[in-house]
Amino acid sequence: KQEVTQIPAALSVPEGENLVLNCSFTDSAIYNLQWFRQDPGKGLTSLLLIQSSQREQTSGRLNASLDKSSGRSTLYIAASQPGDSATYLCAVRLRGSGGYNKLIFGAGTRLAVHP
Amino acid sequence: NAGVTQTPKFQVLKTGQSMTLQCAQDMNHNSMYWYRQDPGMGLRLIYYSASEGTTDKGEVPNGYNVSRLNKREFSLRLESAAPSQTSVYFCASSETVGQPQHFGDGTRLSIL
Repeated sequence: KQEVTQIPAALSVPEGENLVLNCSFTDSAIYNLQWFRQDPGKGLTSLLLIQSSQREQTSGRLNASLDKSSGRSTLYIAASQPGDSATYLCAVRLRGSGGYNKLIFGAGTRLAVHP
Repeated sequence: NAGVTQTPKFQVLKTGQSMTLQCAQDMNHNSMYWYRQDPGMGLRLIYYSASEGTTDKGEVPNGYNVSRLNKREFSLRLESAAPSQTSVYFCASSETVGQPQHFGDGTRLSIL
C-alpha cells in the first residue's frame, strides 16, 4: 500500500530564508507527483506537477525535484516571504488501473514565514 | 470564474441525521472526486466519478453515497451521520482521470 510522508510537520522560518520541504513515498511505481498549497479555510491549489519521467519542475521561486528510485521529492522555496505561509501537501498518482485514478496525499507541512 | 463550488461551507449535524453535500464545476470536466481531510492526515478519497454516469469507491467509502447528477454536479450523501464523519470535505474535478485536479474550498462538517 502506498504511503506518503512529509517531514517536517511544521516549520517556522524568518523571511528571506531558502527552505526545503520533504516528501517520501513507499511505492516507486508512480505516474506523477504533485505539490499543492493550502491556505487556512481554503481548498488546494496546485503548484507543480512532476511526471515520473522528469527530475524536476520550476515555477518562479519554487523548484520541485523527484527521485523515484529513492522514493523522495523535495520542494525548494527560494527567498521565502510571509505570503508563502501555508500548508504544503504532496500527492502521488499511482500507475495501473484503479490507482491511476487516485491521488495519495501526505499530511502536509505547515509553513510559517515571519517578517 | 467560479471553478469548483461547494455548498454549504459549514454545517453542524446531530448523530443520525442525514445530509447531502453539493458540488458543481463549470470547467466542463469529465471527472469529479470527493475527499475528506482530518487533522494530521492527508486527504483521503471517498468516491470518484471518472465520467458522467459512473461512480467508484475510493479509500474510505463506508457511510457515504454519491450521485453524479450530470456532468457539472457530483453530490455526497451521509445517510446517518456519525461523529467519526466530522471532517472537512473537499470536492475536486479534472478534465479526465490522471489530469491535475482543481479543488473547491471545502465544507466543514461537525457531527455532535
